[in-house]
Amino acid sequence: DAGVTQSPTHLIKTRGQQVTLRCSPKSGHDTVSWYQQALGQGPQFIFQYYEEEERQRGNFPDRFSGHQFPNYSSELNVNALLLGDSALYLCASSSRDRVFEAFFGQGTRLTVV
Amino acid sequence: AQSVSQHNHHVILSEAASLELGCNYSYGGTVNLFWYVQYPGQHLQLLLKYFSGDPLVKGIKGFEAEFIKSKFSFNLRKPSVQWSDTAEYFCAVNPYNNNDMRFGAGTRLTVKP
Repeated sequence: DAGVTQSPTHLIKTRGQQVTLRCSPKSGHDTVSWYQQALGQGPQFIFQYYEEEERQRGNFPDRFSGHQFPNYSSELNVNALLLGDSALYLCASSSRDRVFEAFFGQGTRLTVV
Repeated sequence: AQSVSQHNHHVILSEAASLELGCNYSYGGTVNLFWYVQYPGQHLQLLLKYFSGDPLVKGIKGFEAEFIKSKFSFNLRKPSVQWSDTAEYFCAVNPYNNNDMRFGAGTRLTVKP
C-alpha cells in the first residue's frame, strides 16, 4: 500500500518562471492538503482540495493555485516564482471522515535562483 | 496574531534522560492537537493526537502528551529517550471549524548515545 508520493523530489527554477508539483494520495484517501515549509520553520497551510474543489485556503497569494483530479491526485502550481518561494512543499492526504489524520509525503524541495 | 509556540529550538539529551517539549497555542475555543515527528530523511509522521476526553494522550514509541486547557498547552513527554528518538518534533493545532493544521516552528532533538 503506497503512501503519499510526491514528484519531483527536487527542482531548481529561475525567478519569474512557473512550476507544477504533483501529489498522489495514500490509497483510500480523497482529501489533499498542501503545505509550504521554509527552512527552519514549521509547515504552513496553502490549501486543501476535496471533491476536486478548493475547500479551504491559507494566507498565500493567488500565484499559488491547485487542482485535484477525479482519481484524487493533486497538483500545486506556482506562477511568477520569487526567491522567497524556495522551500519544501509538502502534500498531505486524508479521508473525509478522518480529515485530521493526515499522512505526509516526503516533499518537493524547490529552489528558486 | 494567533500562533503555535514551541519554546525549545534545539534540545540535546543523553540516552535514558527524560524528555519534555513545550507547546503553547493562542487559539480560543475548541481545538484538536497533534504532535508530529520527522526523522532524518523521512516524512512527517503522526506521533499522537488529542480531540477530546482524557487530557493525557498516549502515542507511538512511548510518547505521551498532556493537554492543559487553562494553560493553552500540549506538552510532549517521554520518560526515557533513545538515540533513535533523534528527530525534529512539531506541535500542530487545528482550530475549530477549520480544515487545516497550524504548526509550530519545531524542536530539534538530539540524543547522544
